[in-house]
Amino acid sequence: NAGVTQTPKFQVLKTGQSMTLQCAQDMNHNSMYWYRQDPGMGLRLIYYSASEGTTDKGEVPNGYNVSRLNKREFSLRLESAAPSQTSVYFCASSVGQGLYEQYFGPGTRLTVT
Amino acid sequence: QKEVEQNSGPLSVPEGAIASLNCTYSDRGSQSFFWYRQYSGKSPELIMFIYSNGDKEDGRFTAQLNKASQYVSLLIRDSQPSDSATYLCAVRNTGFQKLVFGTGTRLLVSP
Repeated sequence: NAGVTQTPKFQVLKTGQSMTLQCAQDMNHNSMYWYRQDPGMGLRLIYYSASEGTTDKGEVPNGYNVSRLNKREFSLRLESAAPSQTSVYFCASSVGQGLYEQYFGPGTRLTVT
Repeated sequence: QKEVEQNSGPLSVPEGAIASLNCTYSDRGSQSFFWYRQYSGKSPELIMFIYSNGDKEDGRFTAQLNKASQYVSLLIRDSQPSDSATYLCAVRNTGFQKLVFGTGTRLLVSP
């Protein structure tokens, strides 16, 4: 099992460009999450999908959109990148919400110039 | 007040010692608590989770939960240089069914 995979690993964008971060899991998990991690700020939830067909905003959703393509895949889109979106992005999944632990992908390091 | 607070460290301990990492949380209704380890440049890796008051042991790791005082701790016995990492505490927020993470404590274990 690969667990949670993310592409790309690194990306540099210019301000105003768009891109989609891809995430897939092979653990048959129902819930998936997108976080960003910035120095001194910890992990902050951007969007999550409790189950296939549903998505909800997290703590910092502005400037992002998501798509739960199917049970395995959950993508994060930046429509018009801004320097404030320079960060490390992690995708995670869990069996469900509630008590269940989350497992993280390897991350995407994004720089917006 | 932050929802989940951790001392940023670094916490320095010699090899073989016990490392004690602490975390306090503000949501009194929180019911599940997680410890993640994150090496520099890597993703968070789940170490332990605990739901009930008291201690939970797994190998060299012990998680301790005190709901009345709203703190959770992680003890690492016989610390090794390979334990040097940032340890993230995460608490499930009962209102929104999401995990809230602390900013992490950096642990340095010297040989």
